[in-house]
Amino acid sequence: KAGVTQTPRYLIKTRGQQVTLSCSPISGHRSVSWYQQTPGQGLQFLFEYFSETQRNKGNFPGRFSGRQFSNSRSEMNVSTLELGDSALYLCASSLEPLEQPQHFGDGTRLSIL
Amino acid sequence: TQLLEQSPQFLSIQEGENLTVYCNSSSVFSSLQWYRQEPGEGPVLLVTVVTGGEVKKLKRLTFQFGDARKDSSLHITAAQPGDTGLYLCAGADSGNTPLVFGKGTRLSVIA
Repeated sequence: KAGVTQTPRYLIKTRGQQVTLSCSPISGHRSVSWYQQTPGQGLQFLFEYFSETQRNKGNFPGRFSGRQFSNSRSEMNVSTLELGDSALYLCASSLEPLEQPQHFGDGTRLSIL
Repeated sequence: TQLLEQSPQFLSIQEGENLTVYCNSSSVFSSLQWYRQEPGEGPVLLVTVVTGGEVKKLKRLTFQFGDARKDSSLHITAAQPGDTGLYLCAGADSGNTPLVFGKGTRLSVIA
């Protein structure tokens, strides 16, 4: 059974640009959550999608957005990138909304120059 | 805002030694999870504890949930280089709320 797949694995962007990250959940999982991981703040919850609807949102600015498609794949978008957005972005999937355990992908490493 | 404090932040030990890492909060959690994350990979779930006072063992790893469900510990016996990684605790206050993560303990086991 394939795990959670995140693409791309690495990205380098400059300030002011925007970026889109992709997450394909485990087959049959309908809930996708996104987290930002930095050395200073650790893992922080961004948002969670289920049945193409955002059901929970963390404390991040509106520059961070996401969506989910009918096949449960999810994308997150960050606009007007800032240096502080450099982080590992992790996606996790589960059968039901925020059901435990969640299964994590290996993340997208985003570096802002 | 619920917070989970992990200690120590960094730990470097020799192969064969024992160690304990801690996860503390002033809040009560309905369940608590421990993950291990290796460089370049996502966190992998090790265990979930849900009952106050619960003790779970996973080979050389022993996990304990505090009686008041506010804290937890992870004890590793006879550490091996393969135990090296970032150990994260995460708590949930109900079945369908986002996990709150600690910042982790980075463990290095030297052969």
